[in-house]
Amino acid sequence: KAGVTQTPRYLIKTRGQQVTLSCSPISGHRSVSWYQQTPGQGLQFLFEYFSETQRNKGNFPGRFSGRQFSNSRSEMNVSTLELGDSALYLCASSYRTSGSNSQETQYFGPGTRLLVL
Amino acid sequence: AQSVAQPEDQVNVAEGNPLTVKCTYSVSGNPYLFWYVQYPNRGLQFLLKYITGDNLVKGSYGFEAEFNKSQTSFHLKKPSALVSDSALYFCAVKTGGGNKLTFGTGTQLKVEL
Repeated sequence: KAGVTQTPRYLIKTRGQQVTLSCSPISGHRSVSWYQQTPGQGLQFLFEYFSETQRNKGNFPGRFSGRQFSNSRSEMNVSTLELGDSALYLCASSYRTSGSNSQETQYFGPGTRLLVL
Repeated sequence: AQSVAQPEDQVNVAEGNPLTVKCTYSVSGNPYLFWYVQYPNRGLQFLLKYITGDNLVKGSYGFEAEFNKSQTSFHLKKPSALVSDSALYFCAVKTGGGNKLTFGTGTQLKVEL
């Protein structure tokens, strides 16, 4: 099976712009989660989507949003970019059932490295 | 709130020696514990997980981890380190009710000849 794919791999934007990142999960996986990785804050959870619905959200401002399509592919959007949004954005997928407990492993993509100038 | 601590920023080991990367956690409820490894300019690669059952978990590439409930620890171990094991290692925890992983700050493992 192909792994999680993320596009683009690298991105340079300027302050005030917006950006959209894309994630294709492993075939058959229905849950997609997004994480931000920075040297200062480490790995932080952004949000999770399952069956096109946001199931969980981390502590990020409303400028960060996402969505999931019927084929489980997901996009995240960051509007009005700030210098501090420079980070590696990681997408992870898992085969999650509809139950509230989730023991499944999350498999990560290679990430999109965003640089905001 | 759940949290994970990795007390060592860096661990240095000679090739062929055993290695241990430490992790402690704090959760309410039963924890699901994970170890991931990250190589430079790459995403996270899954190594192993503890859900329930046997306290010693075996994973990929000869790694194993021991779950200790009384000490709330989940240390990663390998009997004989390789130079190629040099990477950044993350411990993570989640509890019931979603897929949110809470990560530790990471431990840089350096294996030298």
